[in-house]
Amino acid sequence: DGGITQSPKYLFRKEGQNVTLSCEQNLNHDAMYWYRQDPGQGLRLIYYSQIVNDFQKGDIAEGYSVSREKKESFPLTVTSAQKNPTAFYLCASSGRQGGSEQFFGPGTRLTVL
Amino acid sequence: GENVEQHPSTLSVQEGDSAVIKCTYSDSASNYFPWYKQELGKGPQLIIDIRSNVGEKKDQRIAVTLNKTAKHFSLHITETQPEDSAVYFCAASSPGGSQGNLIFGKGTKLSVKP
Repeated sequence: DGGITQSPKYLFRKEGQNVTLSCEQNLNHDAMYWYRQDPGQGLRLIYYSQIVNDFQKGDIAEGYSVSREKKESFPLTVTSAQKNPTAFYLCASSGRQGGSEQFFGPGTRLTVL
Repeated sequence: GENVEQHPSTLSVQEGDSAVIKCTYSDSASNYFPWYKQELGKGPQLIIDIRSNVGEKKDQRIAVTLNKTAKHFSLHITETQPEDSAVYFCAASSPGGSQGNLIFGKGTKLSVKP
C-alpha cells in the first residue's frame, strides 16, 4: 500500500525545546516538501528536497532544519529559534519537481505550550 | 516570483447547486494548475489538475477551466453534495528550478447545506 506517512498526528512540546517531525514515503519519489499551514492561510513552503543529500530553503525556512539522508525520509526539526511554531505541518512528495502532482501526508499538529 | 490569489474565501451553497472557485496567477510561465480538497484534520488530496496546453478538463461533477491570456483558472463543482464540504486550494507551478514548486492560494471553505 503506497503512500506518505507522518508521525505523530499530534505533538505537544514545551517552549524552547526542539522537536522532530517524521515523514516517510514509499512512492519512490525523488522530491519531498514540508509545508506549514495556519488558519486562513494557504500552504507555505518551509523546505524542499529534489534528491537525496540535497535540500533547499523555501519561503519560511527560518527556525527549521531538515535532512535527506534516505530517499524515503525527510524529517523536519522545529528548533527553539522558530518564534511561533504552533501550526499544522504537512509533508508531500512528487515524482519530480515542477508540473507534477504532489501527494500529501495526513499532517502533524504541533502545539507548543 | 509566482503569486496566486483565490476567491472567495468562503462559499455556502444549497445541495444540488453549483459552486465556482476562482484563482488568478502572476507568472505567465506557469504551466501546471492543480486543485486540492482538504477535509478537516487531514492532508490535501488532488481532485483535478490542468496543464497550460488545455483549456478545460472534466471529471464527473468537477471541471477546471484555464484562461492563459487572463491568467486565471476556475474550479466548477456541479450538483453539489454535503460530502463536497471542505477547504479547496488552487495552486500554480512553473517549470524548472525553485520556480517548479507549487504556490498555493489561501483556500476556499465550501459549505454545502442539505
